[in-house]
Amino acid sequence: SAVISQKPSRDICQRGTSLTIQCQVDSQVTMMFWYRQQPGQSLTLIATANQGSEATYESGFVIDKFPISRPNLTFSTLTVSNMSPEDSSIYLCSVESSRLAYGYTFGSGTRLTVV
Amino acid sequence: GIQVEQSPPDLILQEGANSTLRCNFSDSVNNLQWFHQNPWGQLINLFYIPSGTKQNGRLSATTVATERYSLLYISSSQTTDSGVYFCAVGSNFGNEKLTFGTGTRLTIIP
Repeated sequence: SAVISQKPSRDICQRGTSLTIQCQVDSQVTMMFWYRQQPGQSLTLIATANQGSEATYESGFVIDKFPISRPNLTFSTLTVSNMSPEDSSIYLCSVESSRLAYGYTFGSGTRLTVV
Repeated sequence: GIQVEQSPPDLILQEGANSTLRCNFSDSVNNLQWFHQNPWGQLINLFYIPSGTKQNGRLSATTVATERYSLLYISSSQTTDSGVYFCAVGSNFGNEKLTFGTGTRLTIIP
């Protein structure tokens, strides 16, 4: 399966600041996905990122709050902007596995705490 | 959109016990995966199983696509099995999001 390196693994940030999360994949992939997991909850898709085009955001998520970059087929960033304590969550990136019949694989996640 | 329900929401077992986790989904799918989220938040892919049966060591899974459910079996539970188990489905593999269930929190007591 594809291997994803995600960083940082965790961070504690002041409210009003921004944090950029990076995901690097060991193979070229067409689409990358960004998810949020609020405390005690399931995972919710934030947006889908295609190389060379603007990300597609799910209902309830906007580009000004969660800008995404996708400069090439192996890399993407998600920025959480103007953070508030409600943004405290685990953020995960995901790609379709390069190996058939394996499904989607996920990065190790970024645990964000906003104080 | 597609709905995914998991049961039970919580399960507490003694080490060595067996368990069955269930995932019901509301529409046809061509992707179904089971994940284990460990206490550190890492999401581990257990099975890609849109239909049929698979086994991997003490774990096995069965999906009956025509009846829209999947089961995850854990035998001889160990404390390292503790965590949250998620079922996730997709209807257009490679071009569609995964929709996650609410999860089953499994706690294995020594």
